[in-house]
Amino acid sequence: EPEVTQTPSHQVTQMGQEVILRCVPISNHLYFYWYRQILGQKVEFLVSFYNNEISEKSEIFDDQFSVERPDGSNFTLKIRSTKLEDSAMYFCASSGGDSGDTQYFGPGTRLTVL
Amino acid sequence: KNEVEQSPQNLTAQEGEFITINCSYSVGISALHWLQQHPGGGIVSLFMLSSGKKKHGRLIATINIQEKHSSLHITASHPRDSAVYICAGGRYGNKLVFGAGTILRVKS
Repeated sequence: EPEVTQTPSHQVTQMGQEVILRCVPISNHLYFYWYRQILGQKVEFLVSFYNNEISEKSEIFDDQFSVERPDGSNFTLKIRSTKLEDSAMYFCASSGGDSGDTQYFGPGTRLTVL
Repeated sequence: KNEVEQSPQNLTAQEGEFITINCSYSVGISALHWLQQHPGGGIVSLFMLSSGKKKHGRLIATINIQEKHSSLHITASHPRDSAVYICAGGRYGNKLVFGAGTILRVKS
C-alpha cells in the first residue's frame, strides 16, 4: 500500500540553525500539508500546498518557515533560525487523487532544538 | 472559526468492553476524520465521514450532520486498541482542525 514517508525520523539541532524536513507524499496525491504537535498538545496545522503554491497557512507559519516541492516528488519544510519552541513532532500529510479527502500521514519527524 | 471538541479526555476500559468516543464540531466542517496515534507518535487515518456510518473490523464511526456530532465505537475492546484517538474536521483539500484526543487504555 502506498505510504507517505518522512526523513529524518529525529533531528537534533542547535538554536539558530536551519533545518530541512523532508517528505515524500503518495504519488498521485494533489494536496500536501505540514502539521506539528508540541509534546502534550493538539496537532496544529502549519501549511497546505496545492498546484505548486501555498493554499493556506496558519499564524504559526511565519517568515521563519518555508515549503517547497522541488522535484515533483519531495515536499520539504524549511525552518530558518530555529528556536527552542520549534521543538515538536512534524507530520507531513497528503490527500487527493484516488484517496479523495482522506489525508494520509507520514510517521513524523521529531525535531529537538537545544 | 472551525473547532472540534471531543470527549472523554481519558478512558480506561476492561478488555471486551464496548467503547464510545464522542466528537462535536462547528459550522464550516464538512468531513470528519477519526485518527489513531500510537505512543511512538505516528498517526493513522481510521475513517473519513461526511455522512452516515462506516465500519472496519471492530471499529464503527457514525456522524450526525444536523447535530454536528460524530462517534467512534470500538466493539470487544482489546489491549492493543490502547492509543490516542483523535477526531479532526475539515473540508475537501483543506487543512484539518484537530481535537485534543482521547487517551484510551484497555486493561486485560
